[in-house]
Amino acid sequence: KQEVTQIPAALSVPEGENLVLNCSFTDSAIYNLQWFRQDPGKGLTSLLLIQSSQREQTSGRLNASLDKSSGRSTLYIAASQPGDSATYLCAVRGNYGQNFVFGPGTRLSVLP
Amino acid sequence: EAGVAQSPRYKIIEKRQSVAFWCNPISGHATLYWYQQILGQGPKLLIQFQNNGVVDDSQLPKDRFSAERLKGVDSTLKIQPAKLEDSAVYLCASSSDRWGNTEAFFGQGTRLTVV
Repeated sequence: KQEVTQIPAALSVPEGENLVLNCSFTDSAIYNLQWFRQDPGKGLTSLLLIQSSQREQTSGRLNASLDKSSGRSTLYIAASQPGDSATYLCAVRGNYGQNFVFGPGTRLSVLP
Repeated sequence: EAGVAQSPRYKIIEKRQSVAFWCNPISGHATLYWYQQILGQGPKLLIQFQNNGVVDDSQLPKDRFSAERLKGVDSTLKIQPAKLEDSAVYLCASSSDRWGNTEAFFGQGTRLTVV
């Protein structure tokens, strides 16, 4: 059974810092991995999707990497801003057509 | 394109009452998911549909929860009777799952409070 963990559970940084959020999964046989952002009281917004054959994906100040063999993904946020404050969740999909298994999330606060 | 629509946004009911949530996925998306998110946790899958067929309902508490997607488009999730521990946000998501496109898109969720 796939299990997903995220470290740290919470993170507080001053504005402008570069930061890394970590996601680990127990079963390396995944189809893809998706990073989401969740603002308080809101649904999930898709940030990046990495296919199992890819090593990384970039969107603006965000860069997500995937190391399937070690069961790890990282989300790198450059030059953080207060608007980046949210909970970040990673989710893995075992096979094409299967559902996503989520981690518990990392709650990020970027202080002005 | 329009996103995933859910209603209602909020619902407060007493325990043992029944409640229903509605979801309209992105047009053309074959796969629809219902997730339950308890405060401070990641979402947990309740049920997954492919068109109007159930793919995975292994974590759905079938004694009180039911879901349907009759025409392969919108879906309804029902709880009857509700328990205090059902207080959570219920999220609906959809994905195309065509031509290898598996990115999932989520609705705003329905926040359920059982008192």
